[in-house]
Amino acid sequence: AQSVTQPDIHITVSEGASLELRCNYSYGATPYLFWYVQSPGQGLQLLLKYFSGDTLVQGIKGFEAEFKRSQSSFNLRKPSVHWSDAAEYFCAVGDPLYNFNKFYFGSGTKLNVKP
Amino acid sequence: GAVVSQHPSRVICKSGTSVKIECRSLDFQATTMFWYRQFPKQSLMLMATSNEGSKATYEQGVEKDKFLINHASLTLSTLTVTSAHPEDSSFYICSARRFRGEETQYFGPGTRLLVL
Repeated sequence: AQSVTQPDIHITVSEGASLELRCNYSYGATPYLFWYVQSPGQGLQLLLKYFSGDTLVQGIKGFEAEFKRSQSSFNLRKPSVHWSDAAEYFCAVGDPLYNFNKFYFGSGTKLNVKP
Repeated sequence: GAVVSQHPSRVICKSGTSVKIECRSLDFQATTMFWYRQFPKQSLMLMATSNEGSKATYEQGVEKDKFLINHASLTLSTLTVTSAHPEDSSFYICSARRFRGEETQYFGPGTRLLVL
């Protein structure tokens, strides 16, 4: 069965420090991978996505993610975190077998940014 | 582009009443809309998928008579929680897809439902 694991529930980093949020997935075929960000009381905003091609994808707000098939991972990174990045981050797998009607989300990682 | 809105943003109702939540795609026509439920400190769980003009497809374990979904137009889907109970209190989020085969879903801001 498809699943997405985000092993870190909470992460705290200092402003200006680098960030890496982990995401591992279980999927039988080539995954379609997404990272979304959710600010308090808000919906999910798409940060970036990977379908094929270059395994390092760039997103909005200075985020990037790298797909590593051998590790079944799609970790999100940012070289220098800003206070406004404090939010909850969700990794998701879209299932093309269901015309992408099925998204499997991880449980989320809440990011706190220290001044 | 690809903005999705929800109304209301939060609602409090008494147990036994019904609540309707609207999901609108503001700048595009959505061939498919989705309804998710998010419990505190948990991830989003897909409740149902709806295509304009046809019946919604519900995920296993979701009561279709309890959570009525209507997708009357290409820009509007509604979720009605019928005879709401405190255990229905949750954060309901809709998303929309612009065209069939598109991989990305665009999410609304969510509706916080509290049933007293």
